[in-house]
Amino acid sequence: DIQMTQSPSSVSASVGDRVTITCRASQGISTRLAWYQQKPGKAPNLLIYDASSLESGVPSRFSGSGSGTDFTLTISSLQPEDSATYYCQQTHVFPLTFGGGAQVEI
Amino acid sequence: EVQLVESGGGLVQPGGSLRLSCAASGFTFSNFDMSWVRQAPGKGLQWVSLISNSGSSTYYGDSVKGRFTISRDKSKNTLYLQMDSLTVDDTAVYYCAKRRDYYHGQTIDYWGQGTLVTVSS
Repeated sequence: DIQMTQSPSSVSASVGDRVTITCRASQGISTRLAWYQQKPGKAPNLLIYDASSLESGVPSRFSGSGSGTDFTLTISSLQPEDSATYYCQQTHVFPLTFGGGAQVEI
Repeated sequence: EVQLVESGGGLVQPGGSLRLSCAASGFTFSNFDMSWVRQAPGKGLQWVSLISNSGSSTYYGDSVKGRFTISRDKSKNTLYLQMDSLTVDDTAVYYCAKRRDYYHGQTIDYWGQGTLVTVSS
């Protein structure tokens, strides 16, 4: 199985800050990586697919990059509504696997 | 508007069974692979199972293989998860999820609101 490791597991930042979360796959997954945002008590919401493609309706302050085994999610200017937990997921092979999550606090 | 509405969760004893349902609407159900993803209380997301659009192929996570069975009924636009031999470790919110398309891996673009399964004596 492909293991997905996220870091940091939590980050505290201020409004307007640039925040970067990393995700590392235990083996190469090309660009088959998605990022999701989850707020407490809610279902996850797709932000980024194929490592760097922004899902329709998602603010442009969110961006993704990477390929192979190393990926990043960047929030360019943190907003209060971005307080959430962020998960990466490899969409390449079965079993599909998620990272452990990164909690962003403001 | 895409809607995924899960039902069937509840309290069950260890060793028991439960069947979850997910009613889908707002898209052509038979065109998309569908998954179940779960989240234990206070924990992260764990993919459980996927069924292909036709129903001909199924995939399972190691922790549920041999105990859970995914299926779909295209006439009812409904996804199912039959869960047998349940253990306390299966306690979680179970989400029904839709694959985005065939061009971008197994990306999930829509999720249901989730249904809570509690396994306890």
